[in-house]
Amino acid sequence: SQTIHQWPATLVQPVGSPLSLECTVEGTSNPNLYWYRQAAGRGLQLLFYSVGIGQISSEVPQNLSASRPQDRQFILSSKKLLLSDSGFYLCAWSDRDTFTDTQYFGPGTRLTVL
Amino acid sequence: GEDVEQSLFLSVREGDSSVINCTYTDSSSTYLYWYKQEPGAGLQLLTYIFSNMDMKQDQRLTVLLNKKDKHLSLRIADTQTGDSAIYFCAEFTGTASKLTFGTGTRLQVTL
Repeated sequence: SQTIHQWPATLVQPVGSPLSLECTVEGTSNPNLYWYRQAAGRGLQLLFYSVGIGQISSEVPQNLSASRPQDRQFILSSKKLLLSDSGFYLCAWSDRDTFTDTQYFGPGTRLTVL
Repeated sequence: GEDVEQSLFLSVREGDSSVINCTYTDSSSTYLYWYKQEPGAGLQLLTYIFSNMDMKQDQRLTVLLNKKDKHLSLRIADTQTGDSAIYFCAEFTGTASKLTFGTGTRLQVTL
């Protein structure tokens, strides 16, 4: 069966510090991968998605970047965090070989920027 | 265009039925989803319905789709305290080739 991991689970960082959040998927290959941010426990904002290694699409301009160095690894980064980067970051995957885009989510990372 | 809307909050008593509603605007939606998010956790896929279906039932969950009105609902029978969570609907459209999520409905179950 497929599983998706995210770490760390929680993170407190000062403004201006760098960021690296990691997401890995097991039990599948060639997945579509996604990064979402959820502010204040509400709606989801799609940040990035990837259909393959090195292929990243950005949905909104922002202080963040994403990379996919391996097939089942997706990394969210920032060189200098802003207060507004605080939130709950969710990684998700979907099976590229199906017509639907049924997405399966990881447990999330709670980021607090002080 | 893509726009998925939900009411923000719903409170029900334990044992009653809950009905969470969702409206969407893209008539080319092919699949519609319901996800559940418990506090501090990721989203859990509950169920989905194909756009050529009107209804789907899965144990205590019933999904109704009115494609004419672009209205989706999730009914939870015999609501329990463990059902307290935020519920998101989402639509998948071939035109956008991605999921668009609603704003989420917080379900509170009281004793």
